[in-house]
Amino acid sequence: EAGVTQFPSHSVIEKGQTVTLRCDPISGHDNLYWYRRVMGKEIKFLLHFVKESKQDESGMPNNRFLAERTGGTYSTLKVQPAELEDSGVYFCASSRYLAYGNEQFFGPGTRLTVL
Amino acid sequence: RKEVEQDPGPFNVPEGATVAFNCTYSNSASQSFFWYRQDCRKEPKLLMSVYSSGNEDGRFTAQLNRASQYISLLIRDSKLSDSATYLCVVTHANNLFFGTGTRLTVIP
Repeated sequence: EAGVTQFPSHSVIEKGQTVTLRCDPISGHDNLYWYRRVMGKEIKFLLHFVKESKQDESGMPNNRFLAERTGGTYSTLKVQPAELEDSGVYFCASSRYLAYGNEQFFGPGTRLTVL
Repeated sequence: RKEVEQDPGPFNVPEGATVAFNCTYSNSASQSFFWYRQDCRKEPKLLMSVYSSGNEDGRFTAQLNRASQYISLLIRDSKLSDSATYLCVVTHANNLFFGTGTRLTVIP
């Protein structure tokens, strides 16, 4: 079974540009999550999809971030316009069931650097 | 206040040593508890779930104290391959909340 994949693995952009990150969850996993780790800080929750619906987007930092999951398969996270403080590693995770204690499987992350 | 607090370390221990990590969590409504392992520049991977009754998986033992909101991980007979960052993770509202991680280096 293929794991969670993310693209690109690295992205270096200038302040004010737009970047779109992609996540392909494990096949059959309805739940998809985005997380972010800023240097020196803990991994933080951004949002959670159940199929194509946003279940919880309370962790999204501001309206420069837009996540979509059309068709309930892969998801994109767009940052527009990017700011310096957006630099970090963006992880995507997926899980099959929405249940307490259900394991989330993480992708390798996208390392975003905003110059 | 952070959701999950961990001592960042680093912990440098010789092979064969026993090492213990602790963490505390702030939300008493937290429902599930885990230890994840993260190797350098890799994704977090589930190491083990943590139950109130305590649980053991080979050389790893995890404990949860709900009254104190405290979680621990004990690694016995450390191996070089145990070198990694260990993340304490709790859930509520179906989302994961991470500690900053404790870095372990096992020295030959």
